Order: sequence, then structure tokens, then C-alpha cells
Amino acid sequence: DQQVKQNSPSLSVQEGRISILNCDYTNSMFDYFLWYKKYPAEGPTFLISISSIKDKNEDGRFTVFLNKSAKHLSLHIVPSQPGDSAVYFCAASASNTDKLIFGTGTRLQVFP
Amino acid sequence: NAGVMQNPRHLVRRRGQEARLRCSPMKGHSHVYWYRQLPEEGLKFMVYLQKENIIDESGMPKERFSAEFPKEGPSILRIQQVVRGDSAAYFCASSPQKSEQFFGPGTRLTVL
Repeated sequence: DQQVKQNSPSLSVQEGRISILNCDYTNSMFDYFLWYKKYPAEGPTFLISISSIKDKNEDGRFTVFLNKSAKHLSLHIVPSQPGDSAVYFCAASASNTDKLIFGTGTRLQVFP
Repeated sequence: NAGVMQNPRHLVRRRGQEARLRCSPMKGHSHVYWYRQLPEEGLKFMVYLQKENIIDESGMPKERFSAEFPKEGPSILRIQQVVRGDSAAYFCASSPQKSEQFFGPGTRLTVL
């Protein structure tokens, strides 16, 4: 049972444009959500997080939006840069546990 | 402040041998998590430990796998009698409390 879903395995965006990565979840107990970026042969790198008491969190070029009623979150990257090309993982956790549940990832490619 | 360290980075074992994976958390972090990533999949939670205690091992296979985080020294993930299906990337993460988890570079285990 995949509790965190990233339905787009890949996304291609032109440099300077906006990248929108989507994530859906099924467990209503999740109250903390994170996005990680991963390069090949490296560990995931934390990007940004959001608590369920908020609907938006912004950090530089990265903004995460949370729609609790739809059980959906998205990561916006603007403007996109070639160095953003990587696999992006959405993850979630519930307040009664510390483990992260990861989606299967979306491979973002930013081309010039 | 050094990040999460894992060693070895690559480990090759023959079927039936034992694999020991080590993780040193970031300084000041007392929470350690182990995740496994199979090819083309997301990270799957295995176990969560605090110093000398296993807090959540709900993702650990019932046999052959064990983990520890002693009072002194790194956390160890031990796989006995490895099989080909154990081939994966194993990531360790640490956090100071319930918050974003910081990941190490991973150990890539190959079972021949």
C-alpha cells in the first residue's frame, strides 16, 4: 500500500521556467511533509518542509503548498536551473511516529 | 560540523556472508534511522533508534536483519546470510529531534 504517491516519474522543464512537482498521500494521520532532492550515488538532501497547520512554506526559489482536504502537496521551483536536475522525493510522517514514508520520486530535468 | 557519515560506501558480499553497515550521525543528533532503497523505488523505512534503544523496527525484515546504536560508537545495521535480494542502497539519517532528517551518502550493497 503506497501511502505517498508521486504519479509523475519524470518532468522536463526549460531553464528559467517554473517546475511543479506533485505528491498525493492517503494517510490522514500525516502531519509533517518534506521534500528531498537526490543526485545519483548520493544521499537525499533536505530541501523544504511544511507542517499540516500551514498551507504554504517558502524558502528562496522553493515553495511547498499543502492542500489537506485534497491530501495533496506540491513543490514549486522558480526559476528552474540546470543544477536542479535530480530526483525529487516527497516524504511524510505522523505525529505518533518519527519514520518517514517516501514517494517513489520524480526525476526533474532542467534543460537550457 | 560533519554530516552523517556512512561506511563503507560500497560493499560486495557473496550469498551467505554477513554484511555490516556503519553510520555515524551528525554531532548532537541522538536519533538514527535506517532506510533501504531498491532500484527504481523510493526509500523504505527500516528502523529508528536512539542511543541504546530500538524505538521502531516495524520496517525490518523479521529474520537476518538487526540494528544497534550503542552508547559509544556508530550505529550498525547487520545483515546475516545475505541473499541477492538484499542488494540495495542503504541510507542512514539522523536528527536532533522530530524534525527533518539528514541523510548520509549511503552504502551500496551488492550480493553476488
